[in-house]
Amino acid sequence: KNEVEQSPQNLTAQEGEFITINCSYSVGISALHWLQQHPGGGIVSLFMLSSGKKKHGRLIATINIQEKHSSLHITASHPRDSAVYICAVRYTKETSGSRLTFGEGTQLTVNP
Amino acid sequence: DADVTQTPRNRITKTGKRIMLECSQTKGHDRMYWYRQDPGLGLRLIYYSFDVKDINKGEISDGYSVSRQAQAKFSLSLESAIPNQTALYFCATSDLFEQRGELFFGEGSRLTVL
Repeated sequence: KNEVEQSPQNLTAQEGEFITINCSYSVGISALHWLQQHPGGGIVSLFMLSSGKKKHGRLIATINIQEKHSSLHITASHPRDSAVYICAVRYTKETSGSRLTFGEGTQLTVNP
Repeated sequence: DADVTQTPRNRITKTGKRIMLECSQTKGHDRMYWYRQDPGLGLRLIYYSFDVKDINKGEISDGYSVSRQAQAKFSLSLESAIPNQTALYFCATSDLFEQRGELFFGEGSRLTVL
């Protein structure tokens, strides 16, 4: 069983809609990444969070350490946002390096 | 040039063949990683390296080996490829993770073993 759970697995939206993708994890972490995987396969890191909230353009990422939960929001979604969004966590039990545990990803499709 | 470059991008090979996937980076990061991605599964760590003299097994290292030829280069080898090693492979680099959280991935190498 994956220790990082994402929901939904698939999401279809109309252009302009507000999108939320969720990530839950099982034990304490030191950091959480949100990644974007393009249809061609390349992966880009969007955010790294250890607390609070970060914003970049139309993307907003939040994390609630007590509830072990993070959300990625996309405002005014656009077809170019169509991609797989992946949550990855670094558990505090790790004493060296960034050995990340990845969720299975959320496939987002934004229709024009 | 891309920050992290993987070659080849696509490879079809036969069972039993030796395959090498190469990764080079221009970020100056000490830490490099090899992951594989399979449909329905999250990325899984094969090997990682914190510097040229430091190589560590990840969660699925059986059937793979690696070489860190220089700070910028990290190669993954399949000594005798088998069909269940068909997957999308990613190289990644990072800095001191806790401080800046820089994490960069290559474009991926799609390997098919027949």
